[in-house]
Amino acid sequence: AQSVSQHNHHVILSEAASLELGCNYSYGGTVNLFWYVQYPGQHLQLLLKYFSGDPLVKGIKGFEAEFIKSKFSFNLRKPSVQWSDTAEYFCAVNTPINAGNNRKLIWGLGTSLAVNP
Amino acid sequence: DVKVTQSSRYLVKRTGEKVFLECVQDMDHENMFWYRQDPGLGLRLIYFSYDVKMKEKGDIPEGYSVSREKKERFSLILESASTNQTSMYLCASSFLQGVLGPPLHFGNGTRLTVT
Repeated sequence: AQSVSQHNHHVILSEAASLELGCNYSYGGTVNLFWYVQYPGQHLQLLLKYFSGDPLVKGIKGFEAEFIKSKFSFNLRKPSVQWSDTAEYFCAVNTPINAGNNRKLIWGLGTSLAVNP
Repeated sequence: DVKVTQSSRYLVKRTGEKVFLECVQDMDHENMFWYRQDPGLGLRLIYFSYDVKMKEKGDIPEGYSVSREKKERFSLILESASTNQTSMYLCASSFLQGVLGPPLHFGNGTRLTVT
């Protein structure tokens, strides 16, 4: 079965530390890849997405992610985190089974990031 | 900016009650979704709809039904609420676009407690 694995469930960092959150998926064909973020008390929102082209994608708030097809990975990175980055981060993968209606959007279980000031 | 509005932020219901969760989106999106979010379990799809009066079961449809009478509104119904349905419920919408699908836009969620 297709799956998305986020390696770290809880991450604690100090401000200015670098961040890398792992995401691996199991589907072998063409995919769309997403990172969503949920700040405390707020709705889930899109952080960045990869559809095609340059495998290094830039998102909001200084985040970036690199799609490495050979490793089935889409890791999220930020060079220097801030206290305001404290949130839950979800990786999601969409496969073509659903023909455009997101039916098979597969979610990771999320990574809770706490940044200490 | 896309807005997905869920009618209640917090809801407390008794076991056995029929519960309605309402969701409205203002961007003419074809697709609408209901998820539940539980700690350690991530997001699980309950139902989704890709057109008015059309619906498809997600991964955990048992105990739920949905209604989509108008394009902008998607309702989740708990026929007889049970304590194991205590959860955060998230509504989302998206365009029907391309083969692989565009990003989802989420509402703020409804935290339902069933006592």
